[in-house]
Amino acid sequence: AQKITQTQPGMFVQEKEAVTLDCTYDTSDPSYGLFWYKQPSSGEMIFLIYQGSYDQQNATEGRYSLNFQKARKSANLVISASQLGDSAMYFCAMSGTNTGFQKLVFGTGTRLLVSP
Amino acid sequence: DSGVTQTPKHLITATGQRVTLRCSPRSGDLSVYWYQQSLDQGLQFLIQYYNGEERAKGNILERFSAQQFPDLHSELNLSSLELGDSALYFCASSPGHLSYEQYFGPGTRLTVT
Repeated sequence: AQKITQTQPGMFVQEKEAVTLDCTYDTSDPSYGLFWYKQPSSGEMIFLIYQGSYDQQNATEGRYSLNFQKARKSANLVISASQLGDSAMYFCAMSGTNTGFQKLVFGTGTRLLVSP
Repeated sequence: DSGVTQTPKHLITATGQRVTLRCSPRSGDLSVYWYQQSLDQGLQFLIQYYNGEERAKGNILERFSAQQFPDLHSELNLSSLELGDSALYFCASSPGHLSYEQYFGPGTRLTVT
């Protein structure tokens, strides 16, 4: 079975600083994908970044980067130069070969608050 | 805007009733996924359809059913509603049957009173 663990229920960061949101995972799948989604207070789920388990390089998308450490089974999200609009819930998720890559398993989320 | 549309945005209904949630995937996407987000269960996968056929099933209750129509829109039917069914229901879509880059709709917030 797949499991995602996000141990930080809440994080605080000042505007323009970088922040790391932790995510560890557990899976027996030989191949898997890791995802981060942002959920603002309005409720929608916004796809941020994807990392494949066989990707050699860490994924980056603008101010978002994924610090993928396969041996540690961690996939931390790094947000550089935080903005007030980054305040939201952030969910780490994964899919894998055992589920045919057909469903996402989500963690419990981390609430990020960016202060001026 | 992800390109995935869901209607209605909000739904308030009573226990024992039946409701239908509707989802239109992004243009060109063949897969539709349904998820439930509740306070006690978090975000859970319910079911996936690909090009009209059911492809994967998660923790979907027998009182719930879904289908995907020839025009690729999907409907999630919830019947004999209970208070615990109150949740945010998301539809997501992706081009193929794999879940890379699932794009989520804005969700339907269901309140059962």
